Amino acid sequence: NAGVMQNPRHLVRRRGQEARLRCSPMKGHSHVYWYRQLPEEGLKFMVYLQKENIIDESGMPKERFSAEFPKEGPSILRIQQVVRGDSAAYFCASSPRDRFGSGANVLTFGAGSRLTVL
Amino acid sequence: GIQVEQSPPDLILQEGANSTLRCNFSDSVNNLQWFHQNPWGQLINLFYIPSGTKQNGRLSATTVATERYSLLYISSSQTTDSGVYFCAVASMNRDDKIIFGKGTRLHILP
Repeated sequence: NAGVMQNPRHLVRRRGQEARLRCSPMKGHSHVYWYRQLPEEGLKFMVYLQKENIIDESGMPKERFSAEFPKEGPSILRIQQVVRGDSAAYFCASSPRDRFGSGANVLTFGAGSRLTVL
Repeated sequence: GIQVEQSPPDLILQEGANSTLRCNFSDSVNNLQWFHQNPWGQLINLFYIPSGTKQNGRLSATTVATERYSLLYISSSQTTDSGVYFCAVASMNRDDKIIFGKGTRLHILP
């Protein structure tokens, strides 16, 4: 079991470009969380997804940010027209909850993707 | 939404010392986890403990759900214990949204 895989580990973008961060959950996990961490700060909840369904996106900025978790393939966090304030570490975690929402919601984190906006 | 407060914010200890980290939360929870973020940024799940007491080696945790707090105990600290310890909770009413506290930064001196 390879754990939660995030890529890229480091991403550099210029202002106005797009950033795409990918997260492959642990095998058998069908729920994914995305968090943002600024330097020296805690983790801020962004979005919680199940395959083909956004469960809670109350932490996502209203503009430029979107997330998806398709039936096949990894979850994607997309940031359009990046600004310097988007520079942060973005962490993905997966949970073994089944598609009915049952089971302990215990998070396993990936190594994170560090976005730097020039 | 639910509020999570961790204390102390920073802690510096000598190797071998014991420590207690606290997590207070403002609402009933059905999910509480403790994480360690090491100096390289990796987040490791230490305990899933919405109630009761658990132990794993030198670490143990207790959650008193009725009084809305949890404690993480680290005994005989080692330099590898350094890093940030986060408490994360989910409200009974919003059991899918897991919120993190700001963490306790622990530095163990050799």
